[in-house]
Amino acid sequence: SQKIEQNSEALNIQEGKTATLTCNYTNYSPAYLQWYRQDPGRGPVFLLLIRENEKEKRKERLKVTFDTTLKQSLFHITASQPADSATYLCALDSDQTGANNLFFGTGTRLTVIP
Amino acid sequence: EADIYQTPRYLVIGTGKKITLECSQTMGHDKMYWYQQDPGMELHLIHYSYGVNSTEKGDLSSESTVSRIRTEHFPLTLESARPSHTSQYLCASSESPVETQYFGPGTRLLVL
Repeated sequence: SQKIEQNSEALNIQEGKTATLTCNYTNYSPAYLQWYRQDPGRGPVFLLLIRENEKEKRKERLKVTFDTTLKQSLFHITASQPADSATYLCALDSDQTGANNLFFGTGTRLTVIP
Repeated sequence: EADIYQTPRYLVIGTGKKITLECSQTMGHDKMYWYQQDPGMELHLIHYSYGVNSTEKGDLSSESTVSRIRTEHFPLTLESARPSHTSQYLCASSESPVETQYFGPGTRLLVL
């Protein structure tokens, strides 16, 4: 069956350190993978998109890698700040129905401790 | 901040009532979506639309229905609410199927 697994439900790190979140998937062949941030009681907000032919993407303090052989994406936040505390979701497309809809993982709740 | 709006933000309603959750976007996006999300769980797609007069069911079966009469408006209706419908409902839109999605703030529904 298809599965999207994010490394842990919760991750606590010290301010200034690099947070690394993992997204593993099985039985998908995504053309791209996206990362979203979700704050409590709010809708997800798009952060980064990486395509299957890209190994790495950066945006300010964020970095995403995508390994289609390992079926894994890593999401890094460098120099983390308390304001980075949120739930981070990975999402990938599936064209099995021809609709290219997104499928989401359950998310990792990141807490950055001052 | 994305230009996609949902009303109401919170709704407490009794079993058997008919409800409509509103979703509007001002970005001119063709594709729109409804997701259901329970606390600590992943988003599940329940409905989507490619454009006006297009509606499709998502991967999670839902007793709700949707309509798309105007590009900017994608309401979701429950004819007879039940406690099992208690959840958060998120609306989203995208410029095309493979682009990023913009989400509204969500509607938290509690059916007593």
